[in-house]
Amino acid sequence: GQSLEQPSEVTAVEGAIVQINCTYQTSGFYGLSWYQQHDGGAPTFLSYNALDGLEETGRFSSFLSRSDSYGYLLLQELQMKDSASYFCAVRGNTGGFKTIFGAGTRLFVKA
Amino acid sequence: GAVVSQHPSWVICKSGTSVKIECRSLDFQATTMFWYRQFPKQSLMLMATSNEGSKATYEQGVEKDKFLINHASLTLSTLTVTSAHPEDSSFYICSAPGTSGIWVQYFGPGTRLTVL
Repeated sequence: GQSLEQPSEVTAVEGAIVQINCTYQTSGFYGLSWYQQHDGGAPTFLSYNALDGLEETGRFSSFLSRSDSYGYLLLQELQMKDSASYFCAVRGNTGGFKTIFGAGTRLFVKA
Repeated sequence: GAVVSQHPSWVICKSGTSVKIECRSLDFQATTMFWYRQFPKQSLMLMATSNEGSKATYEQGVEKDKFLINHASLTLSTLTVTSAHPEDSSFYICSAPGTSGIWVQYFGPGTRLTVL
């Protein structure tokens, strides 16, 4: 089976840096993705790591270590609008390569 | 960029009625689409994989006779909640995988279903 673990909540102040960790278990691995979802909205894609290392996209970076089955999302220069839920996700290796999502981490950014 | 639309964005219905939700890929073709259900402050739970031209694949515990999925074309998948009950009230979201070479899901805006 496949499972992902991430913290349920993180709180940080505006302008700070926050890291959201994700550990996963999967029988076959094709990559780790991150999605952002604001309350009442749909998830939007942030980043994807298929290989070990750091991927940077503006204020957001994502890291993957396949040997540790671990990844993280790094958010820099936090803004109030970054308050949202963040999901890590893995691609399944059966049944149409579905995406399996973690439980999500709610990020609260305070002024 | 890839855009997925969903209709309706919200619906209120009486218990026992059926509700159809449409999911369209607007600027790309999707042979596969996914249907998720999300309760407040919870994760996205995959309900089924919709396959164009063939039967949908349902996740364990999802009643296929209650949640009917039809993938009529390369740009349209529909989810029909039959004989809806209050416990079916939820946020239903569809997605389609991108075609750019990396594994990314493009999500529709979601449909808020309330069953009275």
